[in-house]
Amino acid sequence: DAGVTQSPTHLIKTRGQQVTLRCSPKSGHDTVSWYQQALGQGPQFIFQYYEEEERQRGNFPDRFSGHQFPNYSSELNVNALLLGDSALYLCASSLGHPGAGNTIYFGEGSWLTVV
Amino acid sequence: AQSVTQLDSQVPVFEEAPVELRCNYSSSVSVYLFWYVQYPNQGLQLLLKYLSGSTLVKGINGFEAEFNKSQTSFHLRKPSVHISDTAEYFCAVSRGVEISSGSARQLTFGSGTQLTVLP
Repeated sequence: DAGVTQSPTHLIKTRGQQVTLRCSPKSGHDTVSWYQQALGQGPQFIFQYYEEEERQRGNFPDRFSGHQFPNYSSELNVNALLLGDSALYLCASSLGHPGAGNTIYFGEGSWLTVV
Repeated sequence: AQSVTQLDSQVPVFEEAPVELRCNYSSSVSVYLFWYVQYPNQGLQLLLKYLSGSTLVKGINGFEAEFNKSQTSFHLRKPSVHISDTAEYFCAVSRGVEISSGSARQLTFGSGTQLTVLP
């Protein structure tokens, strides 16, 4: 049973560029969340997708956007990159319907460096 | 909104000694509580979780945690640590009441505790 998979694992971008990160949830999971983990800090919630719609959003600017596909996979897009966007981006998957239990599984992450 | 405080940023301990990593939370609603471990350059792995029922929760790798509602704490313990337990440990909380599909499962994390096990 494959867990949460993310790509790419590492990438370097220049300020002002745009980046797309990808995530495939654990088999059977229908909800995908994205987190940003800056160096030395705990992960911070960016947003969550369920049934191809953004359901919750953390305190992140509109430069951060996402998408969920019919197969439940997801993309995170960041426009107009800033140096401060350098971080580990974690994808997490879970089951979205009430009463399903609440175990949330994380991928290995995508390391983004903005120079 | 929920918040999590991990009281110790770094905890050094000798091999085979016991360890406790402290976590306190605040929330106006019922919560679910989690401990995750992050090894260097890796993602997060779930150690254990508290959803309901017994307040003493056992997890993987010999770790356990106790939910204390009156003290709003969820401290992580292990009676005897190994070198391989060296890692960053994160306490996290999510809302325990699910209003509708997809609405309740965002995690709020603490800032982490670096556990270093010394030989």
